[in-house]
Amino acid sequence: DAGITQSPRHKVTETGTPVTLRCHQTENHRYMYWYRQDPGHGLRLIHYSYGVKDTDKGEVSDGYSVSRSKTEDFLLTLESATSSQTSVYFCAIRNKYGEQYFGPGTRLTVT
Amino acid sequence: DAKTTQPPSMDCAEGRAANLPCNHSTISGNEYVYWYRQIHSQGPQYIIHGLKNNETNEMASLIITEDRKSSTLILPHATLRDTAVYYCIVRPDILTGGGNKLTFGTGTQLKVEL
Repeated sequence: DAGITQSPRHKVTETGTPVTLRCHQTENHRYMYWYRQDPGHGLRLIHYSYGVKDTDKGEVSDGYSVSRSKTEDFLLTLESATSSQTSVYFCAIRNKYGEQYFGPGTRLTVT
Repeated sequence: DAKTTQPPSMDCAEGRAANLPCNHSTISGNEYVYWYRQIHSQGPQYIIHGLKNNETNEMASLIITEDRKSSTLILPHATLRDTAVYYCIVRPDILTGGGNKLTFGTGTQLKVEL
């Protein structure tokens, strides 16, 4: 499982509330990623990080922010959740060979 | 990144080899072919990758044609637990600065049956 955990695994929240998802790794990898997966769209990159305090946007970054204050933790924040952000969120790390390993996912429902 | 084309679905009998094709006719010289799979409700799982030589690991074999325009993932003895969506992804070598994301298409739904 490459030492990746995500929390929470399931969350239901109301429109307009802030939500933070956490990704934790035990492998000390430099690169970490947040993806979302929706029916008909496959996985789409939201944000990624290439080191502590170094982050960049992916293809669907609007409405999301990230932070990485420690190598092992990568946080994804929805400042004001909307129903369009109902999705399954996957965190991933990348090893030195370019292989990405994914966490178990967080199922978020915004009502 | 080069675009990939995969059949939407395939069936395979348990114990037989599953051969999953992928077309990537616009692949560039520094782009690798990666295969991932996703079992229902789980995170994608890395399987194998290669540049131009055939590759084999404990999970599968990857056969890349000489012109690199297509490849085949081979699961030598498919089991029911191999039922999943299989994604073929083309990505630049990370050493060239590329590869900060994986572009997942819709993949091939492999169903392994008794």
